[in-house]
Amino acid sequence: GEDVEQSLFLSVREGDSSVINCTYTDSSSTYLYWYKQEPGAGLQLLTYIFSNMDMKQDQRLTVLLNKKDKHLSLRIADTQTGDSAIYFCAVMNRDDKIIFGKGTRLHILP
Amino acid sequence: NAGVTQTPKFRVLKTGQSMTLLCAQDMNHEYMYWYRQDPGMGLRLIHYSVGEGTTAKGEVPDGYNVSRLKKQNFLLGLESAAPSQTSVYFCASSFSAGEQFFGPGTRLTVL
Repeated sequence: GEDVEQSLFLSVREGDSSVINCTYTDSSSTYLYWYKQEPGAGLQLLTYIFSNMDMKQDQRLTVLLNKKDKHLSLRIADTQTGDSAIYFCAVMNRDDKIIFGKGTRLHILP
Repeated sequence: NAGVTQTPKFRVLKTGQSMTLLCAQDMNHEYMYWYRQDPGMGLRLIHYSVGEGTTAKGEVPDGYNVSRLKKQNFLLGLESAAPSQTSVYFCASSFSAGEQFFGPGTRLTVL
């Protein structure tokens, strides 16, 4: 079946860039999303990209999409302590259902 | 706007007890969802609804029932709770099949 894979943990020093990677299996995915979950809270949409785009930039966030390799990444520039959270990759499949990855826990080192 | 709210925030049940989790949204969204989140498992879709009066099964529906009698409310029921249902439950809503707005979650422990 459809699958969305991401690494479970990432540690980054404060001020460095964080890159969170995601791979997916459904080549017909139309929308691809990044959600952020802070401790004790629900998920919040950070950004999304449509499948006909290669890149989207929004302030410190850059999303890159490689459709050929079915690879999505989220880059956070100048990582701050407030960026510490779980980041979920999600893709909309051909049935208009959103499939979530298991989430990447981003830990910020001082 | 309150967005998506969930009641209760925390609950402890004994095995075999029943309970209902309430989700409410004030954004006039058509679609509503119930997920459970477990360590290392990510989010798993339990049931969802694409409009008032409709419900459909998700990835892990067994042991749960849902109802969508009013557009703004989506109820998740556990008829006979089991320890395997200990989890954090999230409700979400969306205008169409796109961006989902999540509630703050309900932490349920079944002893």
